[in-house]
Amino acid sequence: GAGVSQSPRYKVAKRGQDVALRCDPISGHVSLFWYQQALGQGPEFLTYFQNEAQLDKSGLPSDRFFAERPEGSVSTLKIQRTQQEDSAVYLCASQKGGLSTEAFFGQGTRLTVV
Amino acid sequence: SQQGEEDPQALSIQEGENATMNCSYKTSINNLQWYRQNSGRGLVHLILIRSNEREKHSGRLRVTLDTSKKSSSLLITASRAADTASYFCATRGLTGGGNKLTFGTGTQLKVEL
Repeated sequence: GAGVSQSPRYKVAKRGQDVALRCDPISGHVSLFWYQQALGQGPEFLTYFQNEAQLDKSGLPSDRFFAERPEGSVSTLKIQRTQQEDSAVYLCASQKGGLSTEAFFGQGTRLTVV
Repeated sequence: SQQGEEDPQALSIQEGENATMNCSYKTSINNLQWYRQNSGRGLVHLILIRSNEREKHSGRLRVTLDTSKKSSSLLITASRAADTASYFCATRGLTGGGNKLTFGTGTQLKVEL
């Protein structure tokens, strides 16, 4: 596709519910990132994949957060037993590879936990 | 956690004026990037400057980098109403786990007609 695609765009979950957020990166992009952006703040790093390998998950806030990219393309961010503090926009980004390349971001999934 | 701060937090100017935003960061970097975010289009990459570069231009954008002061500035010349957005700097660290981007807190720019 032309860009990074995320779905759903909006998700309302009841506290305690599990959610799954999907990211379709740009075809051929080796690297994939997930970020969390709270209202009025900059995005904060959650996790990073190179192909199917999860090389950095240091930003995941708790063991309720889990991400996978089993075939090195589409990625899913799963949040179990959602809490109100999980409400945020979840952004996915992909890049061709290497430190000196730009990241392309999807439009994000806005998660609201009620 | 956020890498650093952006200054000012909010900026309001008239169309045609120049807008300058500053960014400070804390650790050594491979490169620094500027992104724009508005509600309609998500985060859009604007420009990347490497740690061994001091200045870079792209259209109406001019970016400077001072690694000794760990700071960068973004200048938008001849601003337009369509430039209204939040602007973020983001740094990419050195090799060895530095592939992630660490964002600043952002500057909200409003360009009025």
